[in-house]
Amino acid sequence: DSGVTQTPKHLITATGQRVTLRCSPRSGDLSVYWYQQSLDQGLQFLIHYYNGEERAKGNILERFSAQQFPDLHSELNLSSLELGDSALYFCASSDSPGANSPLHFGNGTRLTVT
Amino acid sequence: AQKVTQAQTEISVVEKEDVTLDCVYETRDTTYYLFWYKQPPSGELVFLIRRNSFDEQNEISGRYSWNFQKSTSSFNFTITASQVVDSAVYFCALSEGGLPGGGSQGNLIFGKGTKLSVKP
Repeated sequence: DSGVTQTPKHLITATGQRVTLRCSPRSGDLSVYWYQQSLDQGLQFLIHYYNGEERAKGNILERFSAQQFPDLHSELNLSSLELGDSALYFCASSDSPGANSPLHFGNGTRLTVT
Repeated sequence: AQKVTQAQTEISVVEKEDVTLDCVYETRDTTYYLFWYKQPPSGELVFLIRRNSFDEQNEISGRYSWNFQKSTSSFNFTITASQVVDSAVYFCALSEGGLPGGGSQGNLIFGKGTKLSVKP
């Protein structure tokens, strides 16, 4: 168990809808990362927050947004969903924003858009 | 631009065979970190090892060993005496050190993964 909690585990929704994925990092970790894993794109970095502030953005669509709250949990909001957004979304946390800290991943949220 | 290549898409071995998973990376940074993660069929991503660009010592942990060679930009992973429980997708990943206080530190660039099947 990595200590990173993601909810829900599975989500099925229709095109055009909006969903929110939630992540609680490991106790003491200030950094939260979001990744998308799909069959064609593999594991893609979306966004990184450190102690409530956005630190880096990757291949995140404008329809997607995220935030990290004062209690350090994070939410990833996906709106105007398309079939191609179906993927496994991972949250990861680390104890620092630096490149040397290993990321500890949650079990992921599997999103299916129908 | 940074890139991680895992040329082996799938490998199948019989239990007790040794197997090496290849990883080649590209980066212009002099400070960077390399990682291996395991994704078993249950789906979670499990951290296995981290290596920094200044430490070329090989590492062994039980049946696992890692060979880091800067000259060939490779960070290969060997499983000795493989077991059925080793069946998983293995990902190599790169994290660049960047400039102090710079932006994109910490996010991992993953290879496409190698699916290892160990048959009894």
